[in-house]
Amino acid sequence: GAVVSQHPSWVICKSGTSVKIECRSLDFQATTMFWYRQFPKQSLMLMATSNEGSKATYEQGVEKDKFLINHASLTLSTLTVTSAHPEDSSFYICSARDPNAGRGGYEQYFGPGTRLTVT
Amino acid sequence: LAKTTQPISMDSYEGQEVNITCSHNNIATNDYITWYQQFPSQGPRFIIQGYKTKVTNEVASLFIPADRKSSTLSLPRVSLSDTAVYYCLVGDMNTGFQKLVFGTGTRLLVSP
Repeated sequence: GAVVSQHPSWVICKSGTSVKIECRSLDFQATTMFWYRQFPKQSLMLMATSNEGSKATYEQGVEKDKFLINHASLTLSTLTVTSAHPEDSSFYICSARDPNAGRGGYEQYFGPGTRLTVT
Repeated sequence: LAKTTQPISMDSYEGQEVNITCSHNNIATNDYITWYQQFPSQGPRFIIQGYKTKVTNEVASLFIPADRKSSTLSLPRVSLSDTAVYYCLVGDMNTGFQKLVFGTGTRLLVSP
């Protein structure tokens, strides 16, 4: 199946700093990517939908000025957590939609996730 | 988006068959049912997808009754490595599952 990578796999940053997380589709072009956040023992929560070449669409309650999303190419989307605080510590997961995949071409492939710890 | 309800947790032993049922009473005509598996500190992994009746692949089977208001994921002869959280999602294939809304999932624990 298609592969989605994330970098870094884990990151520790100090409160007030910004951190960037990359999501790449390695063997397909993804016009749409998604960003999720997952707290321990909880389910995934969709944060935003990232479309190549256009502004991201954020879910209700997600601060777009704090979580900056850039989808500059068909294989790369980035999530920047600005002015991070300890409550932003979480597991961030991206997924990419391969329009040419099997099963009707609508399967989403998930990255391995990025563990962010803000101290 | 149709809401799904699953048991919070299930326990099983190695070699047994595990059936996880998901309720989706408000499923729409164009909705497909998809199951994902997630291990700790990893992204979810696609398991199986179906629309009606039965679907089988190398990993699992998916049973969907005629009214499609529920579905059952069947894992044959589970092993310790099947310990994970299993999510049931429903979505409209025509819109490409633009938004996957994850419910609570079912935490499966397989013991020796």
